[in-house]
Amino acid sequence: EIVLTQSPDTLSLSPGERATLSCRASHVIDSTYLAWYQQRPGQAPRLLMYGASTRATGIPDRFCGSGSGTDFTLTITRLEPEDFAVFYCQQYASSPTFGQGTKVEIK
Amino acid sequence: QFQLQESGPGLVKPSETLSLTCLVSGDALTNTSYYWSWIRHSPGKGLQWIGNIYYSGTTYYNPSLNGRISLSIDASRNQFSLTLTSLTATDTAVYYCARALNRYVFNWFDPWGLGTLVTVSS
Repeated sequence: EIVLTQSPDTLSLSPGERATLSCRASHVIDSTYLAWYQQRPGQAPRLLMYGASTRATGIPDRFCGSGSGTDFTLTITRLEPEDFAVFYCQQYASSPTFGQGTKVEIK
Repeated sequence: QFQLQESGPGLVKPSETLSLTCLVSGDALTNTSYYWSWIRHSPGKGLQWIGNIYYSGTTYYNPSLNGRISLSIDASRNQFSLTLTSLTATDTAVYYCARALNRYVFNWFDPWGLGTLVTVSS
């Protein structure tokens, strides 16, 4: 099983600031097989990114994904009020697994 | 508008069997561009993929669930179902159904249903 470890657990930032979220895999994975989701309170997870860097339909361009090998990053260039949520990475190179999540909270 | 809606009992007893259904609207389950999945979210284990089912009936299950899972599909009702046996408290979770694009063996999930909370307790 590929274990995904996200860091930090919590990120405290202000609107307008830049958020950088990390996802580290226990094995090398092709970037084709890495996705990111956002989950707001009381809502289902929403797909943000697949293939590590391809934005899903309707996702604004302030969300950027990058990385390769075992290290992947989700960057939110300027935080909007609606961006404060929990973010998860997921790999689908083999039986799908998820990271434990990073909470982006308002400072 | 495409939607997924989970339904099932909110409370089940230990050792019993859980049955959940996901009703699909806005597209047909027979659309072979997609397959259908279950995922759960618990405080102890976080997000955990449970399994996938294709319209053909082909299934893939999470091996860590030790053969307790069964997925089925009912195209006439446009719904698919999850059965999980031998429940314990560790099966307490929010259960989500989701759609996946049939591009690779495994894929990302988009969209997800709102989820249904299942509590295992006597």
